[in-house]
Amino acid sequence: EAGVAQSPRYKIIEKRQSVAFWCNPISGHATLYWYQQILGQGPKLLIQFQNNGVVDDSQLPKDRFSAERLKGVDSTLKIQPAKLEDSAVYLCASSLVPGTYNSPLHFGNGTRLTVT
Amino acid sequence: DQQVKQNSPSLSVQEGRISILNCDYTNSMFDYFLWYKKYPAEGPTFLISISSIKDKNEDGRFTVFLNKSAKHLSLHIVPSQPGDSAVYFCAASALNSGNTPLVFGKGTRLSVIA
Repeated sequence: EAGVAQSPRYKIIEKRQSVAFWCNPISGHATLYWYQQILGQGPKLLIQFQNNGVVDDSQLPKDRFSAERLKGVDSTLKIQPAKLEDSAVYLCASSLVPGTYNSPLHFGNGTRLTVT
Repeated sequence: DQQVKQNSPSLSVQEGRISILNCDYTNSMFDYFLWYKKYPAEGPTFLISISSIKDKNEDGRFTVFLNKSAKHLSLHIVPSQPGDSAVYFCAASALNSGNTPLVFGKGTRLSVIA
């Protein structure tokens, strides 16, 4: 099966600019996640979708970050305006059935964002 | 407050020997634990998991041990191979308590020396 697809792989922007990331989950996976991984840290959940509804966005900085999952498949994550501390790898993941022991998250290769 | 802790940032092991990666957690509601492996410029890949009703789960060269009373789990790789060199993340969730999202540790970089 095809894995989780993300684009772009790399992005360099100046602070206060905006940026968008795209994710296409594994076919049939209803649950989609966006994680932020700062250098030297583990991934941290930003937002979780179940189909096209938001399940958890408690750690999403909503003043600058937004995400949507139209039609319950692809998703985009946007940052506007970007800050230096947003420099990180943004990982998209999907799972078949959330909340079960046999449905681990499958991650894409991520987008490395550098804010200068 | 870091709920999942991997206190060893790095570990070096000789090829053929056992690698032991450790993880501690503080949230007693966690009941599902996973290990992910990450190569440079790739996303984390699921390796092995264990639920809190077990104390051991084995998959080929990989075994995860869970000690609930100590809130500690470990990943054993035996024998270690050069291709095992990667960053290993421990993660935990509370599936039976509202299905909390996965919480990750900071990772341990394993280097297997040929």
